[in-house]
Amino acid sequence: EDQVTQSPEALRLQEGESSSLNCSYTVSGLRGLFWYRQDPGKGPEFLFTLYSAGEEKEKERLKATLTKKESFLHITAPKPEDSATYLCAVQANNNFNKFYFGSGTKLNVKP
Amino acid sequence: KAGVTQTPRYLIKTRGQQVTLSCSPISGHRSVSWYQQTPGQGLQFLFEYFSETQRNKGNFPGRFSGRQFSNSRSEMNVSTLELGDSALYLCASSLAGLRQGSYEQYFGPGTRLTVT
Repeated sequence: EDQVTQSPEALRLQEGESSSLNCSYTVSGLRGLFWYRQDPGKGPEFLFTLYSAGEEKEKERLKATLTKKESFLHITAPKPEDSATYLCAVQANNNFNKFYFGSGTKLNVKP
Repeated sequence: KAGVTQTPRYLIKTRGQQVTLSCSPISGHRSVSWYQQTPGQGLQFLFEYFSETQRNKGNFPGRFSGRQFSNSRSEMNVSTLELGDSALYLCASSLAGLRQGSYEQYFGPGTRLTVT
């Protein structure tokens, strides 16, 4: 069964303290892995799509990487405005239009 | 370009009642997916519609249903509400690969449903 696990569930960082969030997956043929950011009371906001092992995408202080079994979202020198829940989702080759989401990592960056 | 809109934003219903939620996708997006989000279960996939046809369905009881109209707007209906149906219901639209293989989803703000 296709499954997505995110860790840690929650992460507290001081402003400027870099860290990484993990998304591990089991899927019958990965077509794409997606990262989203969700602020309280809002819907998830699309960040990145990764398609193949070794691929990297960057946006401001965020960098997403992908291996054959997991993806990392690296946060460099975070700021308080980076505080949010980060979700990853996988898309399998046998169904491009169905996505499996992890339960998310709640990031809190303190000034 | 306007984002995904959902109405209403908040709803309070009583057990046994039914409810209809509405979603307007981004212009040009023909795929609309619905998700249920709860603190314990995270984002759970309900169903996906494309050009008025349900293409995918998650593992929810038949009380949960949906439809899509010719303008791509979508509605979902929950009948015989239970306490456990209290959740944030999110709608997401996508190009579903129609342009450069892009499948990323764009979410609305959600409808917060409380069942008492």
